[in-house]
Amino acid sequence: DAGVTQSPTHLIKTRGQQVTLRCSPISGHKSVSWYQQVLGQGPQFIFQYYEKEERGRGNFPDRFSARQFPNYSSELNVNALLLGDSALYLCASSFGGTVNTEAFFGQGTRLTVV
Amino acid sequence: GIQVEQSPPDLILQEGANSTLRCNFSDSVNNLQWFHQNPWGQLINLFYIPSGTKQNGRLSATTVATERYSLLYISSSQTTDSGVYFCAVISGAGSYQLTFGKGTKLSVIP
Repeated sequence: DAGVTQSPTHLIKTRGQQVTLRCSPISGHKSVSWYQQVLGQGPQFIFQYYEKEERGRGNFPDRFSARQFPNYSSELNVNALLLGDSALYLCASSFGGTVNTEAFFGQGTRLTVV
Repeated sequence: GIQVEQSPPDLILQEGANSTLRCNFSDSVNNLQWFHQNPWGQLINLFYIPSGTKQNGRLSATTVATERYSLLYISSSQTTDSGVYFCAVISGAGSYQLTFGKGTKLSVIP
C-alpha cells in the first residue's frame, strides 16, 4: 500500500511569490495535517483537516491556507513568500479525527525561498 | 501549551552500544509517538505509545503517563540508527495537533 505522498519534493521560489504544496493521505485515512520544520527544530503544527473541515490551526499568519478535497487529499497554500518560509513542509495522515489515532508522515516538500 | 523536552540533545555511540532517550512532557497526554527522522527528512514511525511498554526488534519504548515521561531504548545500535529521534504528543481537550520536542540527534560510528 502507498504511504503518504507529497509533491513536489523540492521547490525554489522567489520572495513575494505564492506556492501550493500537495498531499495524498494513506488510502482510507480521512484526516490530513500540515507541519513546518525549520532546520534544527522539531515540526510545528500548521493545520489539521478532517472530513474536509478545518479542525485546528497553529500559530501561523493568514498567508498560510489549506483545504481538503472530497478524495481526502489536501493542498497547502502560502502567499507572499518570505525568506523565513524556507523549510521542510510535512503532511501527516491519520485514520480518524480523534486524538488517539496514529499519524503517518510523508517524505516532505523542501521549500527554498530566495 | 504543553512543553516537550527531549534529552540528551546529542548522542554519539559506538556501533553495538545501547542507549536510552528520554522525553518529558508538562501535562497529561492523549497520544504519544516516537519518530526517527532520516537524513532525507522522512519521519518514520517507531512507536505509538500513550502509555505502557512496547518492543519492536532492537527498539523498545515505555511511557509512564502518570509521571509524564517516555523512554526510547535502542540496543545493539547500528550505523543505520543514526538520525534525529523525535517525541511528539497530543494534549488537551479538543486538540488534534502533535507537539514535538526538539529531538535527539544520534550518531552511531563504526
